[in-house]
Amino acid sequence: NAGVMQNPRHLVRRRGQEARLRCSPMKGHSHVYWYRQLPEEGLKFMVYLQKENIIDESGMPKERFSAEFPKEGPSILRIQQVVRGDSAAYFCASRTGGDNEQFFGPGTRLTVL
Amino acid sequence: QQQVKQSPQSLIVQKGGISIINCAYENTAFDYFPWYQQFPGKGPALLIAIRPDVSEKKEGRFTISFNKSAKQFSLHIMDSQPGDSATYFCAATAGAGSYQLTFGKGTKLSVIP
Repeated sequence: NAGVMQNPRHLVRRRGQEARLRCSPMKGHSHVYWYRQLPEEGLKFMVYLQKENIIDESGMPKERFSAEFPKEGPSILRIQQVVRGDSAAYFCASRTGGDNEQFFGPGTRLTVL
Repeated sequence: QQQVKQSPQSLIVQKGGISIINCAYENTAFDYFPWYQQFPGKGPALLIAIRPDVSEKKEGRFTISFNKSAKQFSLHIMDSQPGDSATYFCAATAGAGSYQLTFGKGTKLSVIP
């Protein structure tokens, strides 16, 4: 039973480019979360999605960031026109519908040059 | 507004000693309190979790103590080992809504031989 998968593991972008981060939840999990971790900081909630729906995006920056979880395929976190301040580790977590426990992926480390 | 405060920021313990990490929360709607362990370059992994209807939970060398009236909880690692060296995060979530995790800033534990 594969865990939460994220790719790429490392992503380097120049300022102004787009970054696309992918997350495949654990088998049987229909709830997906994205968190951002800045260096030496705890994880901060960004967005919560279920299949084809954004449930809570209260932690998402208002501009340049978007997320989706289509009926088929992985969840995508998209960052347009990246800036140096977007450099961070982005973690995806998933859970079943009947349990609080969230399982985390290995993260994508985004570096903006 | 930081809803979960964690201390200390870093901790050095001798092998065989007890490591203690403390967290305090503000939101009385929180009802699930997990601890995560994170190694460098990896995603957080659930270590142990507690709900406020119990004051203590033990799993192997790891114990959570919970004080509902003080809105505090702590992680005790007994017989600490060098392999326990990692960053530990406390977190909290409410039983309604999106179940998003609110994390403390983390404690970097170093267990020295």
